[in-house]
Amino acid sequence: QVQLQESGPGLVNPSETLSLTCTVSGGSMNNYYWSWVRQPPGKGLEWIGYIYYNGDTNSNPSLKSRVTISLDTSKNQFSLKLTPVIAADTAVYYCGRVPPVYYKPVDYWGRGILVTVSS
Amino acid sequence: DIQMTQSPSSQSTSVGDRVTITCRASQDINKFLNWYQQKPGKAPRLLIYAASSLQSGVPSRFSGSGSGTDFALTISGLQREDFGTYYCQQVYSTPFTFGQGTKLDIK
Repeated sequence: QVQLQESGPGLVNPSETLSLTCTVSGGSMNNYYWSWVRQPPGKGLEWIGYIYYNGDTNSNPSLKSRVTISLDTSKNQFSLKLTPVIAADTAVYYCGRVPPVYYKPVDYWGRGILVTVSS
Repeated sequence: DIQMTQSPSSQSTSVGDRVTITCRASQDINKFLNWYQQKPGKAPRLLIYAASSLQSGVPSRFSGSGSGTDFALTISGLQREDFGTYYCQQVYSTPFTFGQGTKLDIK
């Protein structure tokens, strides 16, 4: 059974860098896309972006200049960096697995991690 | 960006009811539409992909339909565990956008 787990600091100062890691267990990262989605408190879901196992990335233009998604298949991990952060980046951040099909559904999700941007 | 509009925003329903949630895209997205269920404090769960394909392990009372701009998620015979918020997401073009969500309360 594939499992994903987000990790990283729960509090980030404004203008600094949000760094999260997603660790994948129970399966290989090969041949899949790996995704980040966030959800501000009490609000809906926002797609951040994804990375293919070969390193190709695609991210939301609304965040594109601030976001970096990377992966390390040898560690079965992929990561999200967002900088500089603002208060509106406060959200629960989810990582997920996306099978290599046209319809790109997120079929496995992490439990999510709340990141608060505040001084 | 493609805008996704769900209706209703919320609905109170009874166990056993048939429930339909609709999702409209701002442009033709063929069948590039997925549905998720989310319960409070939990990650979303994939229900339907490609507009009408049932994800493995999801009860058959969930079904999806539609193509182009208009889509629907139907729950036939609502169960108590079906409360939560439902989201559609278009995956036709990036950025992949979600609807605003439909909150289902069980009476």
